[in-house]
Amino acid sequence: DAGITQSPRHKVTETGTPVTLRCHQTENHRYMYWYRQDPGHGLRLIHYSYGVKDTDKGEVSDGYSVSRSKTEDFLLTLESATSSQTSVYFCAISEEGADSPLHFGNGTRLTVT
Amino acid sequence: AQKITQTQPGMFVQEKEAVTLDCTYDTSDPSYGLFWYKQPSSGEMIFLIYQGSYDQQNATEGRYSLNFQKARKSANLVISASQLGDSAMYFCAMREYYGNNRLAFGKGNQVVVIP
Repeated sequence: DAGITQSPRHKVTETGTPVTLRCHQTENHRYMYWYRQDPGHGLRLIHYSYGVKDTDKGEVSDGYSVSRSKTEDFLLTLESATSSQTSVYFCAISEEGADSPLHFGNGTRLTVT
Repeated sequence: AQKITQTQPGMFVQEKEAVTLDCTYDTSDPSYGLFWYKQPSSGEMIFLIYQGSYDQQNATEGRYSLNFQKARKSANLVISASQLGDSAMYFCAMREYYGNNRLAFGKGNQVVVIP
């Protein structure tokens, strides 16, 4: 299995508080991604990174920011959590190329009350 | 615009039977990859199979095969000899060569294998 660790695995937080989710990889892959999964929506891309300090927005980036200061770590921050951000968050990594699959972490279940 | 379409409702399949999961996609990029993932009830995302847009033959991986019809823009997953452990959500996804290496997912198909 690809070496991807997400932390925390579960978190409950209150509306309006900042939250940071961490993704750590040991594969030295260039690309890292944050997705959210909600019933009826599949997986939707929040942000992704194509190198250290190189990031770009996905389709549902409002209310989220990311940082990648090292190859192995990709942080997702909810600046001021809202109930609509209650979701399961997946980190993924991949090598470059259209033929490279993404390998996923085990997910973080976030509940915003 | 949605790039990956999976429209089948939840499916029940008898153990040892084959099941086909439909996936259609939309792209103007001549070079792309198509992927299928499995998500069991435990929640992890498991990569199953890959098909490249220039591949001449349909991809196969054990009991999984991909029925790739490029002109129709479809990439259906076939699971042969279903097992109880195949009960899961299945997601089709596409990665475009000129799409900044992002993977776009469909909404998934639920499969339940019954003994």
